[in-house]
Amino acid sequence: DAGITQSPRYKITETGRQVTLMCHQTWSHSYMFWYRQDLGHGLRLIYYSAAADITDKGEVPDGYVVSRSKTENFPLTLESATRSQTSVYFCASLGGTTEAFFGQGTRLTVV
Amino acid sequence: TQLLEQSPQFLSIQEGENLTVYCNSSSVFSSLQWYRQEPGEGPVLLVTVVTGGEVKKLKRLTFQFGDARKDSSLHITAAQPGDTGLYLCAGPDNYGQNFVFGPGTRLSVLP
Repeated sequence: DAGITQSPRYKITETGRQVTLMCHQTWSHSYMFWYRQDLGHGLRLIYYSAAADITDKGEVPDGYVVSRSKTENFPLTLESATRSQTSVYFCASLGGTTEAFFGQGTRLTVV
Repeated sequence: TQLLEQSPQFLSIQEGENLTVYCNSSSVFSSLQWYRQEPGEGPVLLVTVVTGGEVKKLKRLTFQFGDARKDSSLHITAAQPGDTGLYLCAGPDNYGQNFVFGPGTRLSVLP
């Protein structure tokens, strides 16, 4: 199916563990983004990528790592999870110049 | 830094009522987008407005872009319970590589 998919949808992990959130899109869009959504803060950009092997920091990058070896995949890794990283994470890709397509989100809980 | 503010933050109305939500900035945006996000899902694009003063209609939803391209409004006529959700405005940043999101208006339409 065409679209953007995230996995897992839900994840519970322990403080200090490494966890990777996956994002896959089927459109071959160049730009991809990772956001976190928290009450009171709205959507905040963590990292974005303009193309394969090109990534850049967003507003809140600390504690996160991204890679983009293939156009269609843009995984987000929390190197050592902290409770403050409990959030809902959204991956998005940019179609054309103005329309962002979002995945369904990953709800991450760090205990 | 470009910021988008939205008002009201919360809105609870009865089915059949009309409502307007606002998106404001002190910065000029080349375009603004409106998204609706339902619980447990990612934001979905409703409309993009590009030209200052532009008005777009999507069934019972009317979107307007301010003449100075610093603000936008969303008017819903005869709201229905299916309109319930979080309404987000967003615009491309000055570099055109990222989206700035407002904090959203959470709308609840009661039957």
